[in-house]
Amino acid sequence: DVKVTQSSRYLVKRTGEKVFLECVQDMDHENMFWYRQDPGLGLRLIYFSYDVKMKEKGDIPEGYSVSREKKERFSLILESASTNQTSMYLCASSFGGASNQPQHFGDGTRLSIL
Amino acid sequence: AQTVTQSQPEMSVQEAETVTLSCTYDTSESDYYLFWYKQPPSRQMILVIRQEAYKQQNATENRFSVNFQKAAKSFSLKISDSQLGDAAMYFCAYRSSGTYKYIFGTGTRLKVLA
Repeated sequence: DVKVTQSSRYLVKRTGEKVFLECVQDMDHENMFWYRQDPGLGLRLIYFSYDVKMKEKGDIPEGYSVSREKKERFSLILESASTNQTSMYLCASSFGGASNQPQHFGDGTRLSIL
Repeated sequence: AQTVTQSQPEMSVQEAETVTLSCTYDTSESDYYLFWYKQPPSRQMILVIRQEAYKQQNATENRFSVNFQKAAKSFSLKISDSQLGDAAMYFCAYRSSGTYKYIFGTGTRLKVLA
């Protein structure tokens, strides 16, 4: 089975801090994604990557950046955390190419910014 | 731009009964893929069922089936013989062929009553 591992289930940080959320997948997937999940808003795409060192902005990239130095790892960075970034963050991965391939998700990181 | 709409924020069903969750989407594409994902409380999001737009036959996975109406742009999920373990958030998702992006609806919370 595909395993997508997010480094933390729960994280508490302070405003202004630089925050790193890590995600690792073990199935050699080309595509990796970071979503933010808020009640009533569903999943909103922050960034995605289709190859090492390649990234594209999603729907809500402001205040975030990403890094993909190795195929299996995709990091989300909050440059200067703010309280409105308190949310559940989900990482996902999928094979490239065939579009009927589903995404595989991690357990999520519930991030609180105080 | 493509959109996915889940008009039922919350639904309830009696154990062993059947329930249908609604999903509509808007697209000008002809080749795309549709997915239903399940997110149990505090657990990982997993794929329930997928449908290729070019297939006329509705997808079925055990107790889960879809009613795919391409002309109406409707993709509803039917859960038969509901079980307590079916209680979860359900998300409908769309992906156009040849793109990396998945577009998610806002979710429907399903409660199963004993």
